[in-house]
Amino acid sequence: QLQLQESGPGLVKPSETLSLTCSVSHGSISSTTYYWGWIRQPPGKGLEWIGTIHYTGSTYYKSSLESRVSISLNTSKNQFSLRLASVTAADTAVYYCARHLDDSGGIDAFDIWGPGTLVTVSS
Amino acid sequence: EIVLTQSPGTLSLSPGARATLSCRASQSVSSSFLAWYQQKPGQAPRLLIYGTSNRATGIPDRFSGSGSGTDFTLTIRKLEPEDFAVYYCQQYVRSLTFGGGTKVEIK
Repeated sequence: QLQLQESGPGLVKPSETLSLTCSVSHGSISSTTYYWGWIRQPPGKGLEWIGTIHYTGSTYYKSSLESRVSISLNTSKNQFSLRLASVTAADTAVYYCARHLDDSGGIDAFDIWGPGTLVTVSS
Repeated sequence: EIVLTQSPGTLSLSPGARATLSCRASQSVSSSFLAWYQQKPGQAPRLLIYGTSNRATGIPDRFSGSGSGTDFTLTIRKLEPEDFAVYYCQQYVRSLTFGGGTKVEIK
């Protein structure tokens, strides 16, 4: 069963860049079938999609975050990463990585999620 | 951006009751691109339904989804103790957005 695990600093200072990595096990990130995404959830609030990447390198970002977000793949390590620049307290959230279901051949629902990691933005 | 509005915000029901959760979209969503998730405290969301009415792997048949256009529904036929949680709808036809969630709590 494919598993995902987020890792990275739990505390980031305002104006700095948040960097997280999602490690994929028991499956390959290099499959042309799947898309891989990042979602976040501020404490006590709802879910917000951040962006998605495909093995080919195609990326898709939430429009309001696009100027600050970058998602990349590291196929040799079977990982994908998130970078979010110029963070503020509003970026404090649990960050999840997830795999998109293979249903339509494009971007679908998220069928496998990592457990999530809390990132706090504070000086 | 397509805005999804879920109602009610909180649903107080007894085990064994039927739960009906609503998700309304600000513009029409293809039924192929509407999903539902369940989230329990401290856990990642779990996919329940995709493509409006398709149950994800391992999801019991007491969960069902329906709807079209701008109005979608998640029905839980007979609530089990483990079903008390927060439920989110999501569309993925144009960008991806989630609804604000419905909390199903024990009455």
